[in-house]
Amino acid sequence: DGGITQSPKYLFRKEGQNVTLSCEQNLNHDAMYWYRQDPGQGLRLIYYSQIVNDFQKGDIAEGYSVSREKKESFPLTVTSAQKNPTAFYLCASSPETASSGANVLTFGAGSRLTVL
Amino acid sequence: GENVEQHPSTLSVQEGDSAVIKCTYSDSASNYFPWYKQELGKRPQLIIDIRSNVGEKKDQRIAVTLNKTAKHFSLHITETQPEDSAVYFCAARISGGSYIPTFGRGTSLIVHP
Repeated sequence: DGGITQSPKYLFRKEGQNVTLSCEQNLNHDAMYWYRQDPGQGLRLIYYSQIVNDFQKGDIAEGYSVSREKKESFPLTVTSAQKNPTAFYLCASSPETASSGANVLTFGAGSRLTVL
Repeated sequence: GENVEQHPSTLSVQEGDSAVIKCTYSDSASNYFPWYKQELGKRPQLIIDIRSNVGEKKDQRIAVTLNKTAKHFSLHITETQPEDSAVYFCAARISGGSYIPTFGRGTSLIVHP
């Protein structure tokens, strides 16, 4: 489905619990991203990775962690330190970032996290 | 870093009318400006983009214009249809550095039949 798969689609968490959102792509893209989407806030960058075993903080990284052990996978962990984790999370990938050309992002279908 | 402002946040039009969404950016080094459409419950998808060496680009009913001097770019949709109803995001990407696009806050377009 579009080459990039997120799971689960819906997730409920109790306060104080860590949760991990999965993101897998079969597009052979080098770069992967995690965005958080809140109503009226647009798409805010949490973390991104340009290459395996390397990742960088985005604008709102506090309370989140990621890993990039494989090119295809970029899981996001929402930790108990994230004060307001209820949101819609979007994963994306692109062929590369270090280019002067277009950098078209392919998005996953998203994961909706609700903290109870 | 780059800052992208997008207006309006909500736009309501009648079917057949035109719709215009405007974005401004702060960094004159930005050189790539994509627009994404997100239908309700679906993922954002690229609908059109423009590079800084071009002033206008069209694709059927959709066009994007870029004014580098004023640092703003706009999405124009003509002959709107109900299926154009969605949230539209603009973005700007700086030449150099990480090349990560910065998104606007989105515009919810509602096309009334």
